[in-house]
Amino acid sequence: GQNIDQPTEMTATEGAIVQINCTYQTSGFNGLFWYQQHAGEAPTFLSYNVLDGLEEKGRFSSFLSRSKGYSYLLLKELQMKDSASYLCAVRDGDYKLSFGAGTTVTVRA
Amino acid sequence: ETGVTQTPRHLVMGMTNKKSLKCEQHLGHNAMYWYKQSAKKPLELMFVYNFKEQTENNSVPSRFSPECPNSSHLFLHLHTLQPEDSALYLCASSQDEGASSEQYFGPGTRLTVT
Repeated sequence: GQNIDQPTEMTATEGAIVQINCTYQTSGFNGLFWYQQHAGEAPTFLSYNVLDGLEEKGRFSSFLSRSKGYSYLLLKELQMKDSASYLCAVRDGDYKLSFGAGTTVTVRA
Repeated sequence: ETGVTQTPRHLVMGMTNKKSLKCEQHLGHNAMYWYKQSAKKPLELMFVYNFKEQTENNSVPSRFSPECPNSSHLFLHLHTLQPEDSALYLCASSQDEGASSEQYFGPGTRLTVT
């Protein structure tokens, strides 16, 4: 199976920056997704990376290094509403999408 | 609202019951998915349908039976489940199964098997 690792939990202060790392080992690669999931709600799409580099979208940025099997999601100017689980998902060479277990981010005032 | 609805939102059933989960998408997508989400575990892909045809069955036990009558509707029929099947069942859809197609998730059905 595919191996996708991300930290279980992270805590940060309102207004700060948090970086959530994701490492993966897959058979082939066809893109990496980040999703946000608030407790009791559906996951929602945040970003997609298929080429190396940084994709910026407002307060959220996502970075990919295919040679290192590594991505991170950067959340800037943290707000209380950013408290959620962040899921890393990788599409392998057969276009199958596999998810990590998610990183629960808690934002404190 | 993501454009994907699921009913019921909560379901409690005994091991001998038969029930069905329903998913509907209003996005004009061609691919639909069933996932199982258990606490502290990765989302597990169960089934994939593309243009109403099943393209993936991820070694799911036969007590879970999917049905896709058209591109907008997806069902998951449940029978003789086990307590370890208790989880959040998420439906998702995407434009197609292409590499960059993001998935839109429904709110899920919280299933408890007693």
